[in-house]
Amino acid sequence: EPEVTQTPSHQVTQMGQEVILRCVPISNHLYFYWYRQILGQKVEFLVSFYNNEISEKSEIFDDQFSVERPDGSNFTLKIRSTKLEDSAMYFCAAGTGGIETQYFGPGTRLLVL
Amino acid sequence: QQQVKQSPQSLIVQKGGIPIINCAYENTAFDYFPWYQQFPGKGPALLIAIRPDVSEKKEGRFTISFNKSAKQFSLHIMDSQPGDSATYFCAASPGGYQKVTFGTGTKLQVIP
Repeated sequence: EPEVTQTPSHQVTQMGQEVILRCVPISNHLYFYWYRQILGQKVEFLVSFYNNEISEKSEIFDDQFSVERPDGSNFTLKIRSTKLEDSAMYFCAAGTGGIETQYFGPGTRLLVL
Repeated sequence: QQQVKQSPQSLIVQKGGIPIINCAYENTAFDYFPWYQQFPGKGPALLIAIRPDVSEKKEGRFTISFNKSAKQFSLHIMDSQPGDSATYFCAASPGGYQKVTFGTGTKLQVIP
């Protein structure tokens, strides 16, 4: 199974601080996604990214969020000013094309205090 | 209209039993219906998926039944094992490169 890795595995931050979550897909992944899962709840779509631009974003993905793939490898999610309600598990997914090829990373657990 | 409704929320079965998880959707643009298995501390992993042009798909002990007219689909796990204990999510997508909309999840426990 093509592996997607994420760093860090856990992050604790103070409310109002900026955090950057990183996703490392394998080299032939072209499509990238961020999802989040608040503890005990369903997995929710945040944003999709292809060809260095956002393809689609949800209503959750407001101005506090941004994504980029600056070096052609790592795909990052930045939260500019974290809120308590941003505490969740954040999953990156990536694929070569078509939803059948979409694989999820192990997630980053973000805790905002 | 974008929601995928899933039930039950939790399920306990004996080893060898056949747990059944049900899902329903409203958006007729959905064209791909995957099921994901998630173990604690891990990301969702694609288990099996179906498209609406077939009514059933079987892979090993896992079977999806699909009723297009009712907009419902379900997962059956034959001869369930303790190692199947996990949270299962149904999901739906218009396909292609578009997002996946997840159901609320079913926590399955298989008792030895």
